[in-house]
Amino acid sequence: NAGVTQTPKFQVLKTGQSMTLQCAQDMNHEYMSWYRQDPGMGLRLIHYSVGAGITDQGEVPNGYNVSRSTTEDFPLRLLSAAPSQTSVYFCASSRQGIDTEAFFGQGTRLTVV
Amino acid sequence: GQQLNQSPQSMFIQEGEDVSMNCTSSSIFNTWLWYKQDPGEGPVLLIALYKAGELTSNGRLTAQFGITRKDSFLNISASIPSDVGIYFCARTQGGSEKLVFGKGTKLTVNP
Repeated sequence: NAGVTQTPKFQVLKTGQSMTLQCAQDMNHEYMSWYRQDPGMGLRLIHYSVGAGITDQGEVPNGYNVSRSTTEDFPLRLLSAAPSQTSVYFCASSRQGIDTEAFFGQGTRLTVV
Repeated sequence: GQQLNQSPQSMFIQEGEDVSMNCTSSSIFNTWLWYKQDPGEGPVLLIALYKAGELTSNGRLTAQFGITRKDSFLNISASIPSDVGIYFCARTQGGSEKLVFGKGTKLTVNP
C-alpha cells in the first residue's frame, strides 16, 4: 500500500533551471495539494486540485504551475527556479469532502543555488 | 482571521514528563486537527476534533476543542523519546478540503 509517493527525495537546482516534482497516490483520492515547509513557517499551501482537470491557487502559488490530467498524479512544476524556492515540498491527498484525513508524502528537499 | 497561532514554538523536556501545547485563532472553526511530523517524514494525523468542548484521546495523547471554538489543546502524557517531532494544529478553510496549518511546536525529549 504505497499511499502518496513523491519523487525525487532530494534535488539541487541552479537558479533559472526548471524541473517537475512528481506526486502520485493510489488511494483514488479526489483532492490533492502541494505544500512547502520552511523553518518556523509551518506548511503553506501552494496549489491544490479537487479532481482531474481542476486546479486552483493556494497561499503561495507564484513561481509554480500544476496540472491534474489523472486522478492519481499531481505534478508541481518550477519553470525558472529561484533561491527563494529552496524548501521542503510535500504533496498530500484526501477523499473529497471537508474533515477527511489528509495523507502526506515523504517530501522533496529542494535546494536552489 | 485565517491564521492559527500555535505555542510554544519549541519544547525541551525530560522523558516521562507531560507536555501541553495549544493553538488559537481569532475566528471560529468547526474542526481542529492535530498532526505530527517525524524527522524526515510527512505529517500524520493524530487527532481530529469536530465539536466544541470535545475531548478526544489517542493513547497518551489527549486533545480538546475549546468551548469558544477558537482554540484547541494537545496534551502528551509520560513522554517517550519517539514523541520527538513537530506537532501542527490545522483546520479546514472555508468549507473546503483546504488545510491551514499552524507554525508548529517542535518537541525534543531527552532520555
